[in-house]
Amino acid sequence: EVQLVESGGGLVQPGGSLRLSCTASGFTFRSYEMNWVRQAPGKGLEWISYIDSSGNTIYYADSVRGRFTISRDNAKNSLYLQMNSLRAEDTAVYYCTRTTADYDFDIWGQGTMVTVSS
Amino acid sequence: QSVLTQPPSVSAAPGQKVTISCSGSSSNIGNNYVSWYQQLPGTAPKLLIYDNNKRPSGIPDRFSGSKSGTSATLGITGLQTGDEADYYCGTWDSSRSAGVFGGGTKLTVL
Repeated sequence: EVQLVESGGGLVQPGGSLRLSCTASGFTFRSYEMNWVRQAPGKGLEWISYIDSSGNTIYYADSVRGRFTISRDNAKNSLYLQMNSLRAEDTAVYYCTRTTADYDFDIWGQGTMVTVSS
Repeated sequence: QSVLTQPPSVSAAPGQKVTISCSGSSSNIGNNYVSWYQQLPGTAPKLLIYDNNKRPSGIPDRFSGSKSGTSATLGITGLQTGDEADYYCGTWDSSRSAGVFGGGTKLTVL
């Protein structure tokens, strides 16, 4: 079964850091581009970062550039999101998604909740 | 303010048809494929339509997609109560080098 499982969410104070992980199974992870998408409580979807299959091409949304870092370990079938200088507005469910060549997000994880609050 | 514009809500009776619009620009919808996602309450989004008008395996043909210029449309026929969900359009924005989504449309089946 093709699956993505996120982990690492939790409660963190403003200015703190958190590292999210996404473990892939059921497909050849190293062949696919990946993204992180988040959803604040009661709000819509927000794309936040992209990484190509080799990790050489990376993009970020303006809202997280300079604070978040996307990375991957193809040997471990894993995608990561290092989040620093967290703000209250970063509170959201974070989803990792598999991406097709046409930028369709065809597989989604179940999401992991990040709450930034004192 | 989302880059892509969708109506906040639509509604229709069971068995009827509904369309959801998604408006963008030449840097996103105008030059890239559009996808649509269904998010049932309390669940992760699911790919519903990709490459403007293709359905992934398992998606019934009641769901259709189309694109014209800088706009796209999701159509749903034979509405069922189980179709009540939030629907999002999405694409890549070439000038921003960023993924973009619409603000989402809540479908109510009356």
